[in-house]
Amino acid sequence: AQSVAQPEDQVNVAEGNPLTVKCTYSVSGNPYLFWYVQYPNRGLQFLLKYITGDNLVKGSYGFEAEFNKSQTSFHLKKPSALVSDSALYFCAVRDPNNDMRFGAGTRLTVKP
Amino acid sequence: AAGVIQSPRHLIKEKRETATLKCYPIPRHDTVYWYQQGPGQDPQFLISFYEKMQSDKGSIPDRFSAQQFSDYHSELNMSSLELGDSALYFCASSIPTASTYEQYFGPGTRLTVT
Repeated sequence: AQSVAQPEDQVNVAEGNPLTVKCTYSVSGNPYLFWYVQYPNRGLQFLLKYITGDNLVKGSYGFEAEFNKSQTSFHLKKPSALVSDSALYFCAVRDPNNDMRFGAGTRLTVKP
Repeated sequence: AAGVIQSPRHLIKEKRETATLKCYPIPRHDTVYWYQQGPGQDPQFLISFYEKMQSDKGSIPDRFSAQQFSDYHSELNMSSLELGDSALYFCASSIPTASTYEQYFGPGTRLTVT
């Protein structure tokens, strides 16, 4: 079965520093991977996705993610974090039925 | 641990019929979110409720309505169903404590409109 795992419940970074939110996946076949962000009391917002092509995917708000097949990872990154990036981040994979399977989420806190 | 429960898991309706989907959040979770995922599509946020009040609204059609009840379960009511409403509908629940807003997803209800 397709699944993703987010090993960190919480990530804390200082504003201006690079950030990484980790995600590993387990899939059979080619993975379709996604990152979503959720702000307090708001619905999920799409950030980026990997289907095929370049391993480095660029998305909204300056975020990018690197697909690494050998490490089965799809970590979310940003070169310089903003306080406004503080939110809950979900990694997800689309299974063969086209249903989304979400990770447990990682809370990112960016401190001034 | 208890998870988010959705019922029914599968539902088949005909065009112009109505459907009601139910979501039972994790105990003590007071916030519920509804999403629609069409075939091959990304999930689209529909609507959310916090403490029985609508807290956010996304791309929910006027033919749909939803509410959250005193026991925090939520129902999504869909009328005048169209073929394009065929999708996976899943809900998520969370509890906005001071430090965490973890959102837990249910398994989804697959609605097929024929």
